[in-house]
Amino acid sequence: QKEVEQDPGPLSVPEGAIVSLNCTYSNSAFQYFMWYRQYSRKGPELLMYTYSSGNKEDGRFTAQVDKSSKYISLFIRDSQPSDSATYLCATWGSGNTGKLIFGQGTTLQVKP
Amino acid sequence: NAGVMQNPRHLVRRRGQEARLRCSPMKGHSHVYWYRQLPEEGLKFMVYLQKENIIDESGMPKERFSAEFPKEGPSILRIQQVVRGDSAAYFCASSPRPAANEKLFFGSGTQLSVL
Repeated sequence: QKEVEQDPGPLSVPEGAIVSLNCTYSNSAFQYFMWYRQYSRKGPELLMYTYSSGNKEDGRFTAQVDKSSKYISLFIRDSQPSDSATYLCATWGSGNTGKLIFGQGTTLQVKP
Repeated sequence: NAGVMQNPRHLVRRRGQEARLRCSPMKGHSHVYWYRQLPEEGLKFMVYLQKENIIDESGMPKERFSAEFPKEGPSILRIQQVVRGDSAAYFCASSPRPAANEKLFFGSGTQLSVL
């Protein structure tokens, strides 16, 4: 079982739609979770950083962590064509090793 | 991505040649991380370095790959005798403090193509 699992998509939505991106993880010791956005041929850009359970909102983006079900989500409201990218969830592995564990990434296309 | 500089952006090598990838961390950051992204896959951890020290190299292949972060100058990821399977995007990230639970900011990557 992979430590972090993410449906690769692709996911295609019309402009203005609410987008829901999801990941599951296997280790209940994981506490810090991140969402990165990666445009084609670019480096990952940190979007959201959350700790433990609950919601965190930043503009059109909301990150949600449900530790009881080991489930993390990223919601994008009023999606725009510029949101078209690959979205990667990530979490820190156990111990102080510098190892971020990434999901496979979900490719999102927002059609005008 | 601002601040973490990687070069070259694109590197083409023939099988058997050496590849050297460079990473200059953000100003004030003394911790560097290398990740590899194969086509259609997420990023995979390779190595974590602090100035003059390798902290964790558990994700790095045992042969042909090495990394360093000298006291002066950029971090270098070196791949000897490259093979086609080494073709990938290599990303570097940095942080001001040890890794645990820090936010990591990535560079734009080096795309390595092995012919």
